[in-house]
Amino acid sequence: DVKVTQSSRYLVKRTGEKVFLECVQDMDHENMFWYRQDPGLGLRLIYFSYDVKMKEKGDIPEGYSVSREKKERFSLILESASTNQTSMYLCASSLRAANQPQHFGDGTRLSIL
Amino acid sequence: GEDVEQSLFLSVREGDSSVINCTYTDSSSTYLYWYKQEPGAGLQLLTYIFSNMDMKQDQRLTVLLNKKDKHLSLRIADTQTGDSAIYFCAESFGSSNTGKLIFGQGTTLQVKP
Repeated sequence: DVKVTQSSRYLVKRTGEKVFLECVQDMDHENMFWYRQDPGLGLRLIYFSYDVKMKEKGDIPEGYSVSREKKERFSLILESASTNQTSMYLCASSLRAANQPQHFGDGTRLSIL
Repeated sequence: GEDVEQSLFLSVREGDSSVINCTYTDSSSTYLYWYKQEPGAGLQLLTYIFSNMDMKQDQRLTVLLNKKDKHLSLRIADTQTGDSAIYFCAESFGSSNTGKLIFGQGTTLQVKP
């Protein structure tokens, strides 16, 4: 079974802090994704990566950056956290082929005070 | 652009059938997916259907696809309290191998005993 592990289930940070969310997958997937989930808005794609050191902006990249130094790990960085970044963050991975399903981690509920 | 729409809420009684509906816009999508999210967890792939199929059945789950109307539905037979969750439909983003999916807003299914 595919395992996608997010480093924290719950995280509380302060406004202005630099925040790192980590995601690791164990199935040698090429593609990795970061989403945020807010009530009534569904999942919105922040960034994705289709290979090591490659990244592409999703629909809402502002205020975020990412890092993919190794194939199995994809990090989401909040450069200077703000209260409107309080949300549930979900990481996913998939094989690099058309129409492959994404496999999700359990999510990180991030609160910015 | 591409869009996926779902109603936000459905309430049924235990033992009844549930039908969750979804409409999508990208006619080049070749796979459509249903995911389930239980409280506090990530998304779990439930089932998927290839666009040249009209129907797919998997135990209590039946997926119907009307490609002409771009309408997808998920029927859960004999709904149980453990089926209470948020259900997301998703379409593959064209024929790209980036693995991007477009998600609906999610339908919250409430099952009353």
